[in-house]
Amino acid sequence: GAGVSQSPSNKVTEKGKDVELRCDPISGHTALYWYRQRLGQGLEFLIYFQGNSAPDKSGLPSDRFSAERTGESVSTLTIQRTQQEDSAVYLCASSKDGYEKLFFGSGTQLSVL
Amino acid sequence: DAKTTQPPSMDCAEGRAANLPCNHSTISGNEYVYWYRQIHSQGPQYIIHGLKNNETNEMASLIITEDRKSSTLILPHATLRDTAVYYCIVGPYGGATNKLIFGTGTLLAVQP
Repeated sequence: GAGVSQSPSNKVTEKGKDVELRCDPISGHTALYWYRQRLGQGLEFLIYFQGNSAPDKSGLPSDRFSAERTGESVSTLTIQRTQQEDSAVYLCASSKDGYEKLFFGSGTQLSVL
Repeated sequence: DAKTTQPPSMDCAEGRAANLPCNHSTISGNEYVYWYRQIHSQGPQYIIHGLKNNETNEMASLIITEDRKSSTLILPHATLRDTAVYYCIVGPYGGATNKLIFGTGTLLAVQP
């Protein structure tokens, strides 16, 4: 596609429910990143995928967070048993090969009530 | 933790040059300086990056001091659409370490 696409754009859920966030990177981009941005704060790295290599999960804040990527295409970020502190904008980015500039999606605004 | 220090906010008059400073005194030899910006309710957008030489592209110029401990992003003719949060980031060039830790940036408000 023309850019990085994320869905849904907004998600409201109840505390304790699981949520899945989706990211469609730019076609041909081998590197994919997930970030979290809390209100008024900078971006917090979560996870990085590069081709078929094992993902770098060093930024995931707890074992309630997981992400998968199928080949060099779609990625899903799953948050289990959501908590109110999970409320944030979740941003996905891709780059051509991990060495080129990042292209970001518009994010998913997650609100946990 | 972010490795850079930026002023939290700046104002600039429309049509004038906007000069956004960034301190990165602990930068190491293999780390680049990257600039991204984030317009309200959008994902960040890449602007420019450099290692030690000054760089220019269609969006901006990047001036890096000789000791590489600070840099300035220059928007030559700021417009209202340039109002955004500007992030200065240092990090290795790509790869698994290309996590680009974003701090809180500088909110640039371009005034009419």
